[in-house]
Amino acid sequence: NAGVTQTPKFQVLKTGQSMTLQCAQDMNHEYMSWYRQDPGMGLRLIHYSVGAGITDQGEVPNGYNVSRSTTEDFPLRLLSAAPSQTSVYFCASSYMDSLNQETQYFGPGTRLLVL
Amino acid sequence: AQSVTQLDSQVPVFEEAPVELRCNYSSSVSVYLFWYVQYPNQGLQLLLKYLSGSTLVKGINGFEAEFNKSQTSFHLRKPSVHISDTAEYFCAVSDQEDTGRRALTFGSGTRLQVQP
Repeated sequence: NAGVTQTPKFQVLKTGQSMTLQCAQDMNHEYMSWYRQDPGMGLRLIHYSVGAGITDQGEVPNGYNVSRSTTEDFPLRLLSAAPSQTSVYFCASSYMDSLNQETQYFGPGTRLLVL
Repeated sequence: AQSVTQLDSQVPVFEEAPVELRCNYSSSVSVYLFWYVQYPNQGLQLLLKYLSGSTLVKGINGFEAEFNKSQTSFHLRKPSVHISDTAEYFCAVSDQEDTGRRALTFGSGTRLQVQP
């Protein structure tokens, strides 16, 4: 298994540009999520999905859109990039076992700089 | 809402010395607890987790953590650190009752700096 993969690894955008951060997992996990990591703040949840066709907002959703057309993929879209979106973005996936326990596994991250 | 406090933003320690990284969480409801490690310019790797059972949890690379429900703590320990342990460590918690959102709440991280 490749686990959770993210592309690109690095990206530089100008203010107002749009782009999509890709995330894929090959573990058949039903749950996927996006976090952003900022210095001194840990990771904060942007959006999450509990299965194909189902998405919902996390803690900091403004400026981001998501969709989940397949179990494997969960892209994150920046519609009009702003300098405040300069961050490191992590995608994660997990499944809930028969005891309702789960562990989230993270991708390697995408480093985004918005000028 | 959950909150996680990592009391030390940086912990310098000499090689082969013991270390403890502290983590406290806010909620008294049933929780799952995790420690993740992030090496420079890399993603998050699961170090260890507490889901149920024994309160002393052993993880990779010689780390262990103890869940203390009365003190709402989940401190990470290693008896003898190596240079290669230099990294940022994140404590995270999820609410067992939150079967919908299932999000992790992270602490702000502790940077462990192992010096020769």
